[in-house]
Amino acid sequence: GESVGLHLPTLSVQEGDNSIINCAYSNSASDYFIWYKQESGKGPQFIIDIRSNMDKRQGQRVTVLLNKTVKHLSLQIAATQPGDSAVYFCAENSGSGGGADGLTFGKGTHLIIQP
Amino acid sequence: GAGVSQSPRYKVAKRGQDVALRCDPISGHVSLFWYQQALGQGPEFLTYFQNEAQLDKSGLPSDRFFAERPEGSVSTLKIQRTQQEDSAVYLCASSPGSMNTEAFFGQGTRLTVV
Repeated sequence: GESVGLHLPTLSVQEGDNSIINCAYSNSASDYFIWYKQESGKGPQFIIDIRSNMDKRQGQRVTVLLNKTVKHLSLQIAATQPGDSAVYFCAENSGSGGGADGLTFGKGTHLIIQP
Repeated sequence: GAGVSQSPRYKVAKRGQDVALRCDPISGHVSLFWYQQALGQGPEFLTYFQNEAQLDKSGLPSDRFFAERPEGSVSTLKIQRTQQEDSAVYLCASSPGSMNTEAFFGQGTRLTVV
């Protein structure tokens, strides 16, 4: 099955509200996680990353939470704006070679911002 | 330019035709990755270069796929005898470090095999 996956394919939120996108991973050896944003017709754009020795990291309007006990990753976006509409992917890297030198992506969550 | 550049942006190939997709990574970036993204799916890893060395090609779906990075900068992904299932967006990414560092993606090449 998928090493990295997402719980919801689509998430709709009101402009100005906070949104939370969730991700579950199964590889306990993974030590680096990234959230990417992908707009239609564009490549994935880095949002924020976190290493396995941390459980929380904050950026501008975004926070990533990592719960290694239950292998769960989440992305919180504060005060969502229309420009936040996109597909969001979580990705992991276990760094152990054999295909893990690259990232393993989940299927993505389509975030829709309602006016 | 400042980002990862891929060309062409769009490519339509007849089944059985060979294609070559180009990636110009960010200058000085050690690592270069190729991914394949099917419609509605997340990117899937194809291959990884550290400088000119292809360290991992375990994601290449068949021996029709070949990638090179002869001088440790520009990379080319070649697909021989294209088939309809090869239709996808091919993404290139580069990162400054050898592992576990932020990867910057290009806009991709959308390949359609007819």
